[in-house]
Amino acid sequence: TQLLEQSPQFLSIQEGENLTVYCNSSSVFSSLQWYRQEPGEGPVLLVTVVTGGEVKKLKRLTFQFGDARKDSSLHITAAQPGDTGLYLCAGGSGGSYIPTFGRGTSLIVHP
Amino acid sequence: SQTIHQWPATLVQPVGSPLSLECTVEGTSNPNLYWYRQAAGRGLQLLFYSVGIGQISSEVPQNLSASRPQDRQFILSSKKLLLSDSGFYLCAWTHPNIKETQYFGPGTRLLVL
Repeated sequence: TQLLEQSPQFLSIQEGENLTVYCNSSSVFSSLQWYRQEPGEGPVLLVTVVTGGEVKKLKRLTFQFGDARKDSSLHITAAQPGDTGLYLCAGGSGGSYIPTFGRGTSLIVHP
Repeated sequence: SQTIHQWPATLVQPVGSPLSLECTVEGTSNPNLYWYRQAAGRGLQLLFYSVGIGQISSEVPQNLSASRPQDRQFILSSKKLLLSDSGFYLCAWTHPNIKETQYFGPGTRLLVL
């Protein structure tokens, strides 16, 4: 069974601070996705990474896929209250129809 | 562009009553469809997935069932709801050939009293 461990589970910071969220596994994934979910809504896809060592930037968000494709990180620079939400990572494995989801990191950014 | 709809948005049902939640996808053909339950704003529990009409795979034994009567329609049902069925139900779809990237609906909040 593949597992994805996310850390930290909860994060409460002030506007303007930087933060990093981690997604780790002992399994290799063919791709990894990051989603953000706001309260009462469905998760929204932020990015997909597929190559070991890949770095993608989305405005103030930087995503990195580990060289061995077993882990990933999400770094947010100068966090804003609009970044508040639940961040979920999910790993995919080639032929499987079932992604593996982490339990999420709940982020609160205070103004 | 593709869109996914879920209804109702919110539902309050008594214990023992039946349930029917509906999910439809527009703008794509032969999607893979999924039902998830999420408790307390945390991780997603996969309930069912379907790769085609009439094809349902169950991931968790429970009193829920799923059906796919049409290519872009996915229904979650129960004959008798339990208190433990309360939660946030999410439908998702993937492209038939790009299975890793999931697109989620807005969700249904179910409260069983």
